[in-house]
Amino acid sequence: EAQVTQNPRYLITVTGKKLTVTCSQNMNHEYMSWYRQDPGLGLRQIYYSMNVEVTDKGDVPEGYKVSRKEKRNFPLILESPSPNQTSLYFCASSLSGRNTGELFFGEGSRLTVL
Amino acid sequence: EDQVTQSPEALRLQEGESSSLNCSYTVSGLRGLFWYRQDPGKGPEFLFTLYSAGEEKEKERLKATLTKKESFLHITAPKPEDSATYLCAVQWRGGKLIFGQGTELSVKP
Repeated sequence: EAQVTQNPRYLITVTGKKLTVTCSQNMNHEYMSWYRQDPGLGLRQIYYSMNVEVTDKGDVPEGYKVSRKEKRNFPLILESPSPNQTSLYFCASSLSGRNTGELFFGEGSRLTVL
Repeated sequence: EDQVTQSPEALRLQEGESSSLNCSYTVSGLRGLFWYRQDPGKGPEFLFTLYSAGEEKEKERLKATLTKKESFLHITAPKPEDSATYLCAVQWRGGKLIFGQGTELSVKP
């Protein structure tokens, strides 16, 4: 089954404690992206990757890091989480960077930073 | 400023009561307009892509249309299982994808 898998799905952590949200897709997609979804603000892009070893900032990259060492994986790293990073996070992928509007989304990771 | 606005924010329908959702945009140089469905606690699910004014796409009770400045998602004879938040996203020629805030649709039996 084609899917984008995120882990963990739910996480409560404390300010400053480094965490990683993993994302893996099994569709051999070139393009991957991270979004956060907040009430009243909609989906906002954090980082994206056009292919292996190619990453770039989205609209709200501050406080986040990513890496793309393998085609299937695109982890999101919060080096020192703060309460304003409490949000619902989605990883998404598409077949290529030429068609980044047709996205497959993961189920989401709900993060709470105390 | 490139912007995507969806209306209404919320829509309540009776089963069988047809209606339309609107997505208006001010991006320059449209590359594509995309509709998604999002169920509570789930990630958005891709529905349609529209590329040029006059284009239409259909899937079951849903029909998406596109003009030069807006898109409509028409829902014909909706059923309770059509209840969800519908998101539109616009991609401009520079490649950036901008999501609207969504319309929360509730269909009562």
